[in-house]
Amino acid sequence: DAGVTQSPTHLIKTRGQHVTLRCSPISGHKSVSWYQQVLGQGPQFIFQYYEKEERGRGNFPDRFSARQFPNYSSELNVNALLLGDSALYLCASSWANDNEQFFGPGTRLTVL
Amino acid sequence: EDQVTQSPEALRLQEGESSSLNCSYTVSGLRGLFWYRQDPGKGPEFLFTLYSAGEEKEKERLKATLTKKESFLHITAPKPEDSATYLCAVRETGTYKYIFGTGTRLKVLA
Repeated sequence: DAGVTQSPTHLIKTRGQHVTLRCSPISGHKSVSWYQQVLGQGPQFIFQYYEKEERGRGNFPDRFSARQFPNYSSELNVNALLLGDSALYLCASSWANDNEQFFGPGTRLTVL
Repeated sequence: EDQVTQSPEALRLQEGESSSLNCSYTVSGLRGLFWYRQDPGKGPEFLFTLYSAGEEKEKERLKATLTKKESFLHITAPKPEDSATYLCAVRETGTYKYIFGTGTRLKVLA
C-alpha cells in the first residue's frame, strides 16, 4: 500500500511569492495534518483537517491556509512568503480520531 | 504552557551499548504520547503510542515506557542502523494539536 505522498519534493521561491503544497493521505485515512519543521527542531503543528473541516490550528499567521478535498487529499497555501518560511513541510494522515499519525516524506521549501 | 522537552540533545553510543532517551511533558490531560524516528531529510516514522502511566511497548531493540510526567525510550544493544533522530510528541485531551519535542540525535558507532 502507498504511504502518504507529498508534492513537490523541493521548491524554491522568492520573498513575497505564494506557494501551494499538496498531500495525498494513506488510502482510507480521512484526517490530514500539516507541520512545519525547521532544521534542528521538531515539527510544529499548523493545521488538522477531517472530513474537509478544520478541527485544529497551531500558532501560525493568517498567511497560512489549507483545505481538504472530497477525496481527502489536502493543500497547504502560504502567501507573502518570508525568509523564515524556509523549512520542511510535513503532511501526516490518520483514520479519524485515531492517535497514530503517519507522515509523508515532506516538501523542502526554500525562500530566497 | 504545554511543553515537551527531550534529553539529551545528542547521544553517541558504541554498538551494543544500551541507553535511554528521555521525554518530559507538561499538559493538563494526556490523550497520548508518541515516539517517532526520523532519518535526515525524511518524514518521521511512527514507532509507538502510549496512553497511560505504567504502559510499556516494545519493538525489536526499542522499548517505550510512560509515567505521569515523562517517557523513556530504551535502546538495547543498538546497531549502527539505529542512528537517527528520535522525536517525542504529545496530544492533549480535548485538542487535535500535537506538540513535538526537539528530538534526540542518536549516533551508534560500529
